[in-house]
Amino acid sequence: DIVMTQSPDSLAVSLGERATINCKSSQSVLYRSNNKNYLAWYQQKPGQPPKLLIYWASTRESGVPDRFSGSGSGTDFTLTISSLQAEDVAVYFCQQYYSSPFTFGPGTKVDIK
Amino acid sequence: QLQLQESGPGLVKPSETLSLTCTVSGGSISSTNYYWGWIRQPPGKGLEWIGSIYNSGSTYYNPSLKSRVTISIDTSRNQFSLKLSSVTAADTAVYYCARHSHTSGWKEWFDPWGQGTLVTVSS
Repeated sequence: DIVMTQSPDSLAVSLGERATINCKSSQSVLYRSNNKNYLAWYQQKPGQPPKLLIYWASTRESGVPDRFSGSGSGTDFTLTISSLQAEDVAVYFCQQYYSSPFTFGPGTKVDIK
Repeated sequence: QLQLQESGPGLVKPSETLSLTCTVSGGSISSTNYYWGWIRQPPGKGLEWIGSIYNSGSTYYNPSLKSRVTISIDTSRNQFSLKLSSVTAADTAVYYCARHSHTSGWKEWFDPWGQGTLVTVSS
């Protein structure tokens, strides 16, 4: 199984400041034949199901604000919230879909400082 | 707008079988670009993929649960179901159903998700 890790476990950022979340996979999730990274990011607010933010590591889902961006390749990925808003308080998960079983990171909790 | 809704008992006794159904509305479960999946989340913990099914009945299961899991689909009712046998307290979790994207020929991300249903295993 591909093990996903995230750092930090939690972070507190001032409103309008940048939040950066890291995700690392135990093996590469880059499929070289199509040069795509098989990685997604989700946002989960309290009492709600996860919501897809980004897929293919950097493609923003329709309707997701452009302050959310994804980057990285191979085994190391980053989700950046460029200017944190109050409604962004949530837990963020990464997920690899390179191979089955499809696995998620443990989550990073983002709060307002 | 596609919506998914889980239903089933919220309390299951140890050693018994957990059974849940996901009803899909606002779209067809027979769509060609999608699988349909189950994911669970123990209270305060992370997410675990359980398995996914295609409209043909083809299934993929997490090997860690494969011996206890059966996922089935009823295209006439636009529903798919989960059965997990021989449950223990470790199976207590919020169970989500979700559409499992399949646009590139491989199973991809999950979107959208149902609201989830808490299943507690206790005598």
